[in-house]
Amino acid sequence: GENVEQHPSTLSVQEGDSAVIKCTYSDSASNYFPWYKQELGKRPQLIIDIRSNVGEKKDQRIAVTLNKTAKHFSLHITETQPEDSAVYFCAAYQYNNNDMRFGAGTRLTVKP
Amino acid sequence: SQTIHQWPATLVQPVGSPLSLECTVEGTSNPNLYWYRQAAGRGLQLLFYSVGIGQISSEVPQNLSASRPQDRQFILSSKKLLLSDSGFYLCAWKLAGETQYFGPGTRLLVL
Repeated sequence: GENVEQHPSTLSVQEGDSAVIKCTYSDSASNYFPWYKQELGKRPQLIIDIRSNVGEKKDQRIAVTLNKTAKHFSLHITETQPEDSAVYFCAAYQYNNNDMRFGAGTRLTVKP
Repeated sequence: SQTIHQWPATLVQPVGSPLSLECTVEGTSNPNLYWYRQAAGRGLQLLFYSVGIGQISSEVPQNLSASRPQDRQFILSSKKLLLSDSGFYLCAWKLAGETQYFGPGTRLLVL
């Protein structure tokens, strides 16, 4: 089955700096890679996703890159703001599969 | 649009008591349904998933069980709660080939 590893487990940056979170996956058949943001006490919310036929996707200050050969994908947040502070989870699964595997999460703290 | 509900929102139960958490989805048909547990400060542990009525797949053997009596209803149960069952329980749904969405969660404290 799929195994997803996520690094780092915690990340602290100054407001305005960039933050990068990296994930690797084991199943080369995985073809969909979403990222979720979970604020304290709330449910995880989808913030961006990427499919295997795309190498990069950007949405304002958030971008995700995918390297299928190396089986890793990354979340990039630019010009970080205090409201970006949260736990971020990556995930991987085959598009029509029933099972999505999550990384262990990264706690991002943006210091004002 | 689709909506997912969970109740109760919070629950405090003594060790050894039974448990029933409910999840319902509106605005879609034949979704895949999932139960996750999240211990404090930890990641998302998949407990059960269901691809249809009466079809349950278990990821982790434990004292919990799940049932899907209706297409858009998913129930998590236990006959006797353990202290280690405390956590944030999240229900989620997805359609084949689409993104997965989480419910608001139930916070369970076992004392």
